[in-house]
Amino acid sequence: GAVVSQHPSWVICKSGTSVKIECRSLDFQATTMFWYRQFPKQSLMLMATSNEGSKATYEQGVEKDKFLINHASLTLSTLTVTSAHPEDSSFYICSARSINEQFFGPGTRLTVL
Amino acid sequence: QQQVKQSPQSLIVQKGGIPIINCAYENTAFDYFPWYQQFPGKGPALLIAIRPDVSEKKEGRFTISFNKSAKQFSLHIMDSQPGDSATYFCAASITGGGNKLTFGTGTQLKVEL
Repeated sequence: GAVVSQHPSWVICKSGTSVKIECRSLDFQATTMFWYRQFPKQSLMLMATSNEGSKATYEQGVEKDKFLINHASLTLSTLTVTSAHPEDSSFYICSARSINEQFFGPGTRLTVL
Repeated sequence: QQQVKQSPQSLIVQKGGIPIINCAYENTAFDYFPWYQQFPGKGPALLIAIRPDVSEKKEGRFTISFNKSAKQFSLHIMDSQPGDSATYFCAASITGGGNKLTFGTGTQLKVEL
């Protein structure tokens, strides 16, 4: 099956710093990738849709200046959490679309101190 | 209109039992209904998916039942095992609508020996 990787798998940072999370489709090309956020014991919340070569589309209520998304190639999308604060601590998951299915990465646990 | 309601929130069954998880949707434009399995600290993995042109689909021990008129679908896990203990999410999307997934709230399943 299609494989999606994320790096790093976990990160701890100080309040006010920026953190970059990478999402890669390893064995297929993905023109569309998605970024989700998940709080403990809750469902996945779509943050944004990332299209290769164009600006990301953000869901209502998601600050585009805080969560910067870049989809520079058909196999790589990045999410940068700028000026992170403790309330940004969460589990961030990406997915990549192949035909009509989405394949999910393993997630990145972000802890902001 | 975009909600997918999932029940129960949690479920405990004995080994060999058949847990059933139910989902209901409102938007009749949804035409793709996947189920995902998520283990703690991991990304969701696609289990099985169905389209509205069939009423049932089986893959191994997993079966989806789909009732288009009632706008409901359910997941049955046959001969459940302790290794099936995980959180299960139903989802729905519109093909050609960017394939954005709308997730249910999740069901935490525990299979006891």
